Amino acid sequence: DTAVSQTPKYLVTQMGNDKSIKCEQNLGHDTMYWYKQDSKKFLKIMFSYNNKELIINETVPNRFSPKSPDKAHLNLHINSLELGDSAVYFCASSQGGYRGNEQFFGPGTRLTVL
Amino acid sequence: GENVEQHPSTLSVQEGDSAVIKCTYSDSASNYFPWYKQELGKGPQLIIDIRSNVGEKKDQRIAVTLNKTAKHFSLHITETQPEDSAVYFCAAMGNYGQNFVFGPGTRLSVLP
Repeated sequence: DTAVSQTPKYLVTQMGNDKSIKCEQNLGHDTMYWYKQDSKKFLKIMFSYNNKELIINETVPNRFSPKSPDKAHLNLHINSLELGDSAVYFCASSQGGYRGNEQFFGPGTRLTVL
Repeated sequence: GENVEQHPSTLSVQEGDSAVIKCTYSDSASNYFPWYKQELGKGPQLIIDIRSNVGEKKDQRIAVTLNKTAKHFSLHITETQPEDSAVYFCAAMGNYGQNFVFGPGTRLSVLP
């Protein structure tokens, strides 16, 4: 009955590879997010997405792309992986609207690029 | 855009003592200020929040105060326990979740 789930939990890969991280939420929320957390624990928003609008943090390289097959899923695709992409990636969701600001986070995916 | 600063970056307290974490924000349009707790190996989880029409909010051992004029807000934890040890993040955003930014985090250690 996990609210926000991510797979895989750990991902180890070589530089230059393409990989995906999947995210699913069963809360019926309208908005989903992807965050990158570096080794210093800084949480940086990468994308926010609902069925109307994709907002991209302008600092995110275009090698990263979110794909949403439906409202409950927002997957993260990463092309041509680089060493600096190593981090923990969190998916989150929120209901949106005035009283729906709380974000529910997934358990994270630790990506290691060798 | 919004900029959120958070201090201290690390904080150690003895069990039973109080802990205070402070945040400042830059965008006067921000109206919603949540606090998240991240335990080791887990995602952040909301513990308390406050909106700009309220100066203080309390939930058991946790309280948040907001000074909108000075653009700062604080998290207060009383009677700390070892399970309070975690990384705490403040955030600022508009009422509808727009323009949200997290602070850089505070690692709290509660020593038994």
